[in-house]
Amino acid sequence: KAGVTQTPRYLIKTRGQQVTLSCSPISGHRSVSWYQQTPGQGLQFLFEYFSETQRNKGNFPGRFSGRQFSNSRSEMNVSTLELGDSALYLCASSLPGQANYGYTFGSGTRLTVV
Amino acid sequence: GQNIDQPTEMTATEGAIVQINCTYQTSGFNGLFWYQQHAGEAPTFLSYNVLDGLEEKGRFSSFLSRSKGYSYLLLKELQMKDSASYLCAVRDQDDKIIFGKGTRLHILP
Repeated sequence: KAGVTQTPRYLIKTRGQQVTLSCSPISGHRSVSWYQQTPGQGLQFLFEYFSETQRNKGNFPGRFSGRQFSNSRSEMNVSTLELGDSALYLCASSLPGQANYGYTFGSGTRLTVV
Repeated sequence: GQNIDQPTEMTATEGAIVQINCTYQTSGFNGLFWYQQHAGEAPTFLSYNVLDGLEEKGRFSSFLSRSKGYSYLLLKELQMKDSASYLCAVRDQDDKIIFGKGTRLHILP
C-alpha cells in the first residue's frame, strides 16, 4: 500500500514568487491536512480538506491556500513568497471516522525562499 | 487559544526509562496522540489516548488524565534509535490535530 506522496521534495524560490505543492494521500483516505514545520514553531496547522471541501483552517494569511480534487489529491499554494515561508511543508492523510487512526504523514516538501 | 506544552529537550541513558510530559489546553478534546520524528523524516504515529489511563504498546506507554489536561509518554529500555523528537498532539472539537513543539530526546551510550 503506497504511503502519502508529496512532490517536489525540495524547492528553492525567490521572494515574491508563488509556489504549488502537491500531496497524494493513501488510497482510500479522503481527508488531507497540511502543516508547516519550522524549528522555532514546530508543526503548525494550515488547513484540512475532506471530499474537496475545506473543513478546517489554521491561522495563516490568505497567501496560503489549498484545494482538493475528486481523487483526494491535494495541492497547496503560497503566493507572494516571503523569507519566513521557508519551512518543511507536511501533508497528512487520514480516514475520518477512525478516531484512533491519527495521521500518516508524507515526507514533506522543503521550501527555501531566497 | 490552543496550547500544548512539552519540554524542549531531554537526555537519557541507553537502557534506562524516560518520561516525556505534555500538558494541554485546547478547544475541546477528542483524543491525544504521540508521534515520533527522526531528524529529516516525517512524524510517525506512536499512540492514541482518548480515555483516562495507561495504554501500553511494547516499550512505549502513554498515559492520559483528561481532568488535568495531562499526558505522558514513557519509553522503557531505551535504545540509541530512540533518539528523536517526540510530538504531543491533541484533536480538538473541530477535529483538527494541534501539535506541541516537540521534545528532542538525546540518548547517551
